[in-house]
Amino acid sequence: NAGVTQTPKFRILKIGQSMTLQCTQDMNHNYMYWYRQDPGMGLKLIYYSVGAGITDKGEVPNGYNVSRSTTEDFPLRLELAAPSQTSVYFCASSYSGQGSNQPQHFGDGTRLSIL
Amino acid sequence: KQEVTQIPAALSVPEGENLVLNCSFTDSAIYNLQWFRQDPGKGLTSLLLIQSSQREQTSGRLNASLDKSSGRSTLYIAASQPGDSATYLCAALSGGGADGLTFGKGTHLIIQP
Repeated sequence: NAGVTQTPKFRILKIGQSMTLQCTQDMNHNYMYWYRQDPGMGLKLIYYSVGAGITDKGEVPNGYNVSRSTTEDFPLRLELAAPSQTSVYFCASSYSGQGSNQPQHFGDGTRLSIL
Repeated sequence: KQEVTQIPAALSVPEGENLVLNCSFTDSAIYNLQWFRQDPGKGLTSLLLIQSSQREQTSGRLNASLDKSSGRSTLYIAASQPGDSATYLCAALSGGGADGLTFGKGTHLIIQP
C-alpha cells in the first residue's frame, strides 16, 4: 500500500532557485494538505485542497503556490527559494475535512535546504 | 486562533512504566483531536483520533482522553517499551478558515531499556 508518496526525499537549493515538491496519494482522498515543520516546532499548514480544482491558503502560504488538477496529485511550488524556507515539508491527505472521523495520512516528508 | 501546547517537551522513563502525555488547546470548538507518532527522519503515523463528541479512544496499550470544556487531552501509554521511543504530537482539527490541523510542538519520549 503506497499511501501518500512525496518526492524528492532530500533537496538542496540555491537562493532564488525554484522547484516543485511532488505529492501523490492512492487512497482516493478528496482532502490534501501541505505542512512545514521547522526544528523543535510543530507542523504549520501552508496550503490545503478540498478537491480537484479547489485550493486555499493555510497559516503560512507566503512564498509558495499549489495546484490540484487531479484527485491524486497536489504539488507545492517554491518560485524564489529563500533561506527561511529551509524546512521539512509534509504532504497529507484525508477522506474529508471538518467533522470527519478519518485521520490524516502523512507522507515521509521532503527535507529541503536553501543555501 | 487555535493554539496547542504539549507538556512535557521531553520525557525519559525506565521500561515498564505507565506514563501520561499532556496536550492543551485554547479553542474548545474542535471537530476532533488526533495523536500522532513521529520517528526520527520519518513522517507522522496516526495513533488515535477522538471526535468532539467522544471522551476517549483506546488502541492496544494506548488510551487517549478528551475534555473539551477544559481544553485538555491526555495520551496514556501502559507498560512502556523501548520501541515506544519517539516524538508524540497532538493536533486539533478546528474551523476558523484553515481546514487543517493545528499541532503542538510534541513530546520527545525516551524509554530506557
